[in-house]
Amino acid sequence: EPEVTQTPSHQVTQMGQEVILRCVPISNHLYFYWYRQILGQKVEFLVSFYNNEISEKSEIFDDQFSVERPDGSNFTLKIRSTKLEDSAMYFCASSVEGGANVLTFGAGSRLTVL
Amino acid sequence: AQSVTQLGSHVSVSEGALVLLRCNYSSSVPPYLFWYVQYPNQGLQLLLKYTTGATLVKGINGFEAEFKKSETSFHLTKPSAHMSDAAEYFCAVSDRRNAGNMLTFGGGTRLMVKP
Repeated sequence: EPEVTQTPSHQVTQMGQEVILRCVPISNHLYFYWYRQILGQKVEFLVSFYNNEISEKSEIFDDQFSVERPDGSNFTLKIRSTKLEDSAMYFCASSVEGGANVLTFGAGSRLTVL
Repeated sequence: AQSVTQLGSHVSVSEGALVLLRCNYSSSVPPYLFWYVQYPNQGLQLLLKYTTGATLVKGINGFEAEFKKSETSFHLTKPSAHMSDAAEYFCAVSDRRNAGNMLTFGGGTRLMVKP
């Protein structure tokens, strides 16, 4: 069964460093997403991406964050100048279409900022 | 703005007992409704969804959920719990007025199944 692949599974970084989380969505999917879950809190929407541009973003997704689809397969989340409060599990997801279409999630990348 | 409330962050049942996980939402219009399950070290997997039509929806692994508009609820049930059902369950909604697919999640309910 097709799956969304995320790397790394766990990354530890120092405060102030830049981090890139990578995702390979399902090949025929057109919509891509990043969500995050801070330990003990809800899964929160960060951003959705369609047709090579951001289609929606939450208040969390400020200038510190950026997304990119540098080639036909990867979808990346860049976090500049990481802060302690960026420590979380980051989930990538993709879907064939928008609307009620089902998202397929990856297993997540755990980011720990020291 | 939408919100989702899952009553009970932890639910414990005996194997073979009824599973009931509660979900209530707040939205100005009835949203699309989803239940996702997360097993340890895995991503979120869709159990079932409601978009339109029959309000009782059946999902994978014997789970089902009923959309009750009057109660703004979408509770998840399974008649008989199995040990393999132990996981975290997330209720989520999305605004049907949006072309995108932004999900708003509840806080999750960890289901424990006792032998």
